[in-house]
Amino acid sequence: SQQGEEDPQALSIQEGENATMNCSYKTSINNLQWYRQNSGRGLVHLILIRSNEREKHSGRLRVTLDTSKKSSSLLITASRAADTASYFCATLDYNQGGKLIFGQGTELSVKP
Amino acid sequence: GAVVSQHPSWVICKSGTSVKIECRSLDFQATTMFWYRQFPKQSLMLMATSNEGSKATYEQGVEKDKFLINHASLTLSTLTVTSAHPEDSSFYICSARGPTGGQTGELFFGEGSRLTVL
Repeated sequence: SQQGEEDPQALSIQEGENATMNCSYKTSINNLQWYRQNSGRGLVHLILIRSNEREKHSGRLRVTLDTSKKSSSLLITASRAADTASYFCATLDYNQGGKLIFGQGTELSVKP
Repeated sequence: GAVVSQHPSWVICKSGTSVKIECRSLDFQATTMFWYRQFPKQSLMLMATSNEGSKATYEQGVEKDKFLINHASLTLSTLTVTSAHPEDSSFYICSARGPTGGQTGELFFGEGSRLTVL
């Protein structure tokens, strides 16, 4: 089952610009995670935010979480061509057996 | 960080044959592994949760007899696609909780296996 929607589904920006991706979910969560996937490859964990946290930073990444709206956003600042990839949010609910359920993903293209 | 190795990275087979995909945790023990399926330009769909020493837990709609999962050791889980058909062609990805993943739920992913059934 899928948790919900991510928007936009595709995003194209110029190098140096910021990229913002949004994720909505439906159920209660223990934490929300963001992953990156290069085309045809596995996923790489980027950042995790717990349900009692509202904002978290890691390098050029900034994640926010609004549990009242059941939504999260991922901001990538000063984007680079190497950031081109698909980005997925995933939610963890220990009441669901600790399964990680993924959103639909945003395909980011950063043009040099 | 924790490394998960998946093999083969791609496989082509004929309809009716069976294909086995291996997922290994290289530098840690993984009591729980997860198998996902991904269609082109789509998200990951959880197929099953693989638990070492016990039967896998399958998601609704996933055929247990079609997708056989075995987690015989703390570092190896296998997915066997039995009697493969062209509609089984997909990208299969395994993942495992890392050494501390049981607390946070962070997963480490293999590189995926692309199956093409002719």
